[in-house]
Amino acid sequence: NAGVTQTPKFQVLKTGQSMTLQCAQDMNHNSMYWYRQDPGMGLRLIYYSASEGTTDKGEVPNGYNVSRLNKREFSLRLESAAPSQTSVYFCASIGLQGRNSPLHFGNGTRLTVT
Amino acid sequence: AQSVTQPDIHITVSEGASLELRCNYSYGATPYLFWYVQSPGQGLQLLLKYFSGDTLVQGIKGFEAEFKRSQSSFNLRKPSVHWSDAAEYFCAVGAKSGGGADGLTFGKGTHLIIQP
Repeated sequence: NAGVTQTPKFQVLKTGQSMTLQCAQDMNHNSMYWYRQDPGMGLRLIYYSASEGTTDKGEVPNGYNVSRLNKREFSLRLESAAPSQTSVYFCASIGLQGRNSPLHFGNGTRLTVT
Repeated sequence: AQSVTQPDIHITVSEGASLELRCNYSYGATPYLFWYVQSPGQGLQLLLKYFSGDTLVQGIKGFEAEFKRSQSSFNLRKPSVHWSDAAEYFCAVGAKSGGGADGLTFGKGTHLIIQP
């Protein structure tokens, strides 16, 4: 079972460069999420998508854009990377709302912006 | 707004000793509570969850947690820790769907160190 797959696992960018973090889930989940994890800060929600075709801002959306390409895929784009975006990024998904299901996480993308 | 507080940034426990990790939450309605564990370089793995019913919930790897509404707490416990339990532990609170359209709110984590 693949679950939630994130690519790439590691990335180094220079300030001002752009990139897209990819996330795909094979569990037929409706909702998908992007979190960032920073030391001492826990996980903070960047964007989420409650269902295919919808996206909404989370706690820390500035500097990011997302695309819910289809039910499986939810990508996160940095248009002009900044050192403050150095972090570990996690994608997560969840099944139908109203069911007793937890978030399923990918293994993360470690991004460094120099 | 919902929030989660994990008062202990680091905890050191001897192997074989008991463990309790604290979690306090703030939430306007009945909370849905979770504990996740993260090993170095890995994603987050669900240990256990509380939605309703029995306030003492059992999870994987011998962990349990007790929901205490009067104290707004959901502390994680294990009777005897193993060296493999060394990891980062996160408490999280969510909407009634278990995640909801707006995801979970996480605490800042507790880093567990196991002494031989």
